[in-house]
Amino acid sequence: KQEVTQIPAALSVPEGENLVLNCSFTDSAIYNLQWFRQDPGKGLTSLLLIQSSQREQTSGRLNASLDKSSGRSTLYIAASQPGDSATYLCAVRPRSQGNLIFGKGTKLSVKP
Amino acid sequence: DTGVSQNPRHKITKRGQNVTFRCDPISEHNRLYWYRQTLGQGPEFLTYFQNEAQLEKSRLLSDRFSAERPKGSFSTLEIQRTEQGDSAMYLCASSSTETQYFGPGTRLLVL
Repeated sequence: KQEVTQIPAALSVPEGENLVLNCSFTDSAIYNLQWFRQDPGKGLTSLLLIQSSQREQTSGRLNASLDKSSGRSTLYIAASQPGDSATYLCAVRPRSQGNLIFGKGTKLSVKP
Repeated sequence: DTGVSQNPRHKITKRGQNVTFRCDPISEHNRLYWYRQTLGQGPEFLTYFQNEAQLEKSRLLSDRFSAERPKGSFSTLEIQRTEQGDSAMYLCASSSTETQYFGPGTRLLVL
């Protein structure tokens, strides 16, 4: 059974810092991995999607990497801003299924 | 088209009542998903449609839950005889490629 774990559960950093969020999954038979952002009480916004054959994806200040064999992904946020404060969720799509399996998220707080 | 919409946004009901939620996906997205999210947890998959066919159903979806997607457009999720444990945020997502686009969710509170 696929399980997704995110560490740390919460993170507080001063504005301007670079930071890394971690995601691990137990079964490497995945189709892709996605990172989402969720603001309090709101739906999810897709940030980056990495196909199983890819090693990383970049969008602006965000860079996501994928090491499928070790079951790990990282989300790197450069030069963090208070507007980056949100919960970041990692999700994998198993190869045999259409749905996503999510971690519990990392709650990020960027202080001015 | 501005994205996935869900109605209502909030619902308070008494235990034992039936509730129905609606999801309108992004136009021409053939895949539609329902997830449930409780406080401090990630979303958990409930069910998935490709066009009007319900292709996957989670074991979380007890026989009190039913979902439909007539004509492959909007979808409804009905919960019969609600229980306090059904209190959660119900999220809908749609896709035409691999990226899933989520709606704002319907927050259900069962008293």
